[in-house]
Amino acid sequence: DTAVSQTPKYLVTQMGNDKSIKCEQNLGHDTMYWYKQDSKKFLKIMFSYNNKELIINETVPNRFSPKSPDKAHLNLHINSLELGDSAVYFCASSQFNQPQHFGDGTRLSIL
Amino acid sequence: GENVEQHPSTLSVQEGDSAVIKCTYSDSASNYFPWYKQELGKRPQLIIDIRSNVGEKKDQRIAVTLNKTAKHFSLHITETQPEDSAVYFCAARVDYKLSFGAGTTVTVRA
Repeated sequence: DTAVSQTPKYLVTQMGNDKSIKCEQNLGHDTMYWYKQDSKKFLKIMFSYNNKELIINETVPNRFSPKSPDKAHLNLHINSLELGDSAVYFCASSQFNQPQHFGDGTRLSIL
Repeated sequence: GENVEQHPSTLSVQEGDSAVIKCTYSDSASNYFPWYKQELGKRPQLIIDIRSNVGEKKDQRIAVTLNKTAKHFSLHITETQPEDSAVYFCAARVDYKLSFGAGTTVTVRA
């Protein structure tokens, strides 16, 4: 039973398209996160929601829009995809002051 | 914001030897310091963590030390094994936000 699950695992698409990545956690955590891991393996926080409220919104192009319909789900929608968006996107969740648990990642490739 | 620096970027050790990775952080409000291991193509997995009120923590072959005054913390792996080969990330947390180091690629030579 995967604790933090992301779909899809792989996403290959053309420049200019719009795509979404979904994340669900069954750990009962209040907080969820989106990270971007670039080709140099650097992990950078993008967004975080706590009980459906946006609490972290890093310097990310406004083509990226997160949505949290409930505290177990956090989705990421990306408009007008660019080559530089190619990366692995990780979802994570935690309770406050507790370790973050990561999903398996979504590898996004822009052609 | 928090800035975490991690050294070295790559580390090659002989099986059975020890490996040490060092990190520094900038924000004195950081109060939680986890270490993650990421194998190729996999997700980061927590291997050990330490809170700011503790100076040292050990779990079998892995230990972490924290020096709050100097704002640095270190990961020590003893008796390294081939399965320890991976990328290791340190991180520092302020409130909800976790800031990661750039990672250390550890290779254990058989």
